[in-house]
Amino acid sequence: QVQLVQSGAEVKMPGASVKVSCKTSGYTFTGYYMNWVRQAPGQGLEWMGWINPNSGSTNYTQNFQGRVTMTRDTSISTAYMEVTRLRFDDTAVYYCARAYPGIGLAGTRWFDYWGQGTLVTVSS
Amino acid sequence: SYELTQPPSVSVSPGQTASITCSGDKLGDKYACWYQQKPGQSPVLVIYQDTKRPSGIPERFSGSNSGNTATLTISGTQAMDEADYYCQAWDSGVVFGGGTKLTVL
Repeated sequence: QVQLVQSGAEVKMPGASVKVSCKTSGYTFTGYYMNWVRQAPGQGLEWMGWINPNSGSTNYTQNFQGRVTMTRDTSISTAYMEVTRLRFDDTAVYYCARAYPGIGLAGTRWFDYWGQGTLVTVSS
Repeated sequence: SYELTQPPSVSVSPGQTASITCSGDKLGDKYACWYQQKPGQSPVLVIYQDTKRPSGIPERFSGSNSGNTATLTISGTQAMDEADYYCQAWDSGVVFGGGTKLTVL
């Protein structure tokens, strides 16, 4: 069965960086875009961007350009998302989510599997 | 940038039908999907491609999309359906609605 298991909660100082991992199993890792979605406390879902695990190419939303880096390690079927220069308003739960249908098919996509979420708290 | 608008809250009595709307410019020309999120849990896909239900999602969940509005309908609403619901569409990237809190009372 498909599983996305994320790394544990983090507490960081303002200005620091955080790197969250998303280990996958149960499907071909390189066959599907991996997305990252953020949810601030009491707020809605915010799409951050995606990585093509096959090529390593990325697509970040404008809100996160320059501060977010998405990478992957295909040997262990794991995706990573790093946020630099953390601010207090980066405090949120960060989710990885698989996009369906797979890479190579054009058109709309939806998220069929999600990780359990990683709480990142930015506090001084 | 493209925007999707949802009502902040909807209330429904147990056993009745709940309808949650999602509005966006010419949304009917795109595909919409819906997620359910309960407190402390990850979102769960309940409708994709406007009307399709993933396996394991009860038949009481249905969707439609026409004109500028997509609608999630829950027939015979149960207490377990109380949750936040988010619509999502694709417009040169992923766009989420602001979410609707469904209260079953």
